[in-house]
Amino acid sequence: DQQVKQNSPSLSVQEGRISILNCDYTNSMFDYFLWYKKYPAEGPTFLISISSIKDKNEDGRFTVFLNKSAKHLSLHIVPSQPGDSAVYFCAASANSGYALNFGKGTSLLVTP
Amino acid sequence: GAGVSQTPSNKVTEKGKYVELRCDPISGHTALYWYRQSLGQGPEFLIYFQGTGAADDSGLPNDRFFAVRPEGSVSTLKIQRTERGDSAVYLCASGLTGNEETQYFGPGTRLLVL
Repeated sequence: DQQVKQNSPSLSVQEGRISILNCDYTNSMFDYFLWYKKYPAEGPTFLISISSIKDKNEDGRFTVFLNKSAKHLSLHIVPSQPGDSAVYFCAASANSGYALNFGKGTSLLVTP
Repeated sequence: GAGVSQTPSNKVTEKGKYVELRCDPISGHTALYWYRQSLGQGPEFLIYFQGTGAADDSGLPNDRFFAVRPEGSVSTLKIQRTERGDSAVYLCASGLTGNEETQYFGPGTRLLVL
């Protein structure tokens, strides 16, 4: 069963606008969350993470928000750039384990 | 510094054959992970090493899959009697300690079983 869900397979955004990628999870034991970016024929590249003791983490143009009560997190990219076009994976891990559980990914296209 | 490297980058084999996939983690990283990514899916966990020992192999799909890390650095994922359903991208990742931290991924090995 899919414990991490990314319900939007794709998203198209104009350059300069905000991109919002969403992720939901079902396992209440998850307490560490990460976003990875993946280009074709490459491995996932780490973008940003957040621990469950926080509700927001910011790094440059990237901000991750965590709503534990809703079991929901989102990645905001502002402003979006054409180079941001890639597949974005949400991942989560639980305190008692080390495996990352991934969503299926959202393909982001930033158009000029 | 060098990132995680994986060899070969592509592997084509026939059903029933044996394959070995290699992973070189980032120097100094004690944690090493193997994942498998099928088309249209996110990576799925296979096995986690802490040093030389497999700390969690709960993701290995069956006993045809085995992995080793004899000296606590390089790891080899071994697949016996390959099946067409084993075709996927096999990703390796490493982490500094293995305790809720960022995992850094290699480029993957694309395995195609004919």
